[in-house]
Amino acid sequence: DAGVTQSPTHLIKTRGQQVTLRCSPKSGHDTVSWYQQALGQGPQFIFQYYEEEERQRGNFPDRFSGHQFPNYSSELNVNALLLGDSALYLCASSLPGQGFGNTIYFGEGSWLTVV
Amino acid sequence: RKEVEQDPGPFNVPEGATVAFNCTYSNSASQSFFWYRQDCRKEPKLLMSVYSSGNEDGRFTAQLNRASQYISLLIRDSKLSDSATYLCVVNGGDYKLSFGAGTTVTVRA
Repeated sequence: DAGVTQSPTHLIKTRGQQVTLRCSPKSGHDTVSWYQQALGQGPQFIFQYYEEEERQRGNFPDRFSGHQFPNYSSELNVNALLLGDSALYLCASSLPGQGFGNTIYFGEGSWLTVV
Repeated sequence: RKEVEQDPGPFNVPEGATVAFNCTYSNSASQSFFWYRQDCRKEPKLLMSVYSSGNEDGRFTAQLNRASQYISLLIRDSKLSDSATYLCVVNGGDYKLSFGAGTTVTVRA
């Protein structure tokens, strides 16, 4: 049973560019959350998707957007990249309709470097 | 004020020692509490949930003090494999998990 899978694992972008990160949830999970983890910090909640809708959003600008597909996979898009967007982007999936700390599973993340 | 604050450490302890550290949270309406473990450049993984009455999982003991809004983790008989960053995590009843910045523990031989 595959866990949460993310792609790409590493990427380098230039300031002002756009990036798309992808996530496939764990089998049986329908809820996907995205977190940003800067170096030396804890993960920060970006948003959560459920039933193809953004259910909750953290304190991130509109440059951060997402999408969930009918097969529950998800994308995170970041426009107009800034140096400060350099971070580990974590996708987490959880059981149907949930999203709490003891039912959430993280992927290995996508390391984004903006130069 | 940050939602969850932790002592960053690092805590450098010999094998077999006991190490303990705390975190504090700002939202008094928080409902669920957890400790996650994160190894270097890896994803966070759930270590244990934290219950009001306190709970143990092997060598790990977690305590919650709602009145003072702090959570603690104690590791007994430390192993080399316990070396990691420990993240304090709080859920306020919505769909968001709030993470502390982590406490780094290094266990030396």
